Amino acid sequence: DVQMTQSPSNLAASPGESVSINCKASKSISKYLAWYQQKPGKANKLLIYSGSTLQSGTPSRFSGSGSGTDFTLTIRNLEPEDFGLYYCQQHNEYPYTFGAGTKLELK
Amino acid sequence: EVQLVESGGGLVQPGASLKLSCVASGFTFSDYWMSWVRQTPGKTMEWIGDIKYDGSYTNYAPSLKNRFTISRDNAKSTLYLQMSNVRSEDTATYYCTRYYGYNCMDAWGQGASVTVSS
Repeated sequence: DVQMTQSPSNLAASPGESVSINCKASKSISKYLAWYQQKPGKANKLLIYSGSTLQSGTPSRFSGSGSGTDFTLTIRNLEPEDFGLYYCQQHNEYPYTFGAGTKLELK
Repeated sequence: EVQLVESGGGLVQPGASLKLSCVASGFTFSDYWMSWVRQTPGKTMEWIGDIKYDGSYTNYAPSLKNRFTISRDNAKSTLYLQMSNVRSEDTATYYCTRYYGYNCMDAWGQGASVTVSS
């Protein structure tokens, strides 16, 4: 299985700041990395797929980069609604695997 | 609006069986691969498996393959997860998801909570 190492596990930031979340795969997954947002009481939301492609409806302040084994989710100019839990997931090969998650909290 | 609504969760004893359902609406269910994902109380996400749009093909996480079965009824727009011989480590919230593009998950249900305990 492809192991996904996500960091940091916790992140505190203020509205208006920029943050980055990293995800490292144990082997090359080409470009096939997705990012999801989880918030209480809401369905999980696909933000980015194939490493850098924004899903329809994802604000442009979100961006994804990377390929091979190293990927980054960057959120610029944080908005209050951006705080929550973020997961990466490789969708290159079975079994699909997730990172452990990053909790983005208000500082 | 795309909606996925899971049901069938609850408290179940170790060794028992349980069948979860996920009713889809707002899209043509029979056009999409679907999957199940679970999240443990510690927030770990685990992909369980998926099923082709016509139900003819399934894939599973190796660790769950012998106890979990995914099926679907396209006439009812419903996805199923049959869980057998459940263990305490199966305690989790179970989500059904829809695949988009190259098998990322663009729609999620709200989840069904399963607790395995005597």
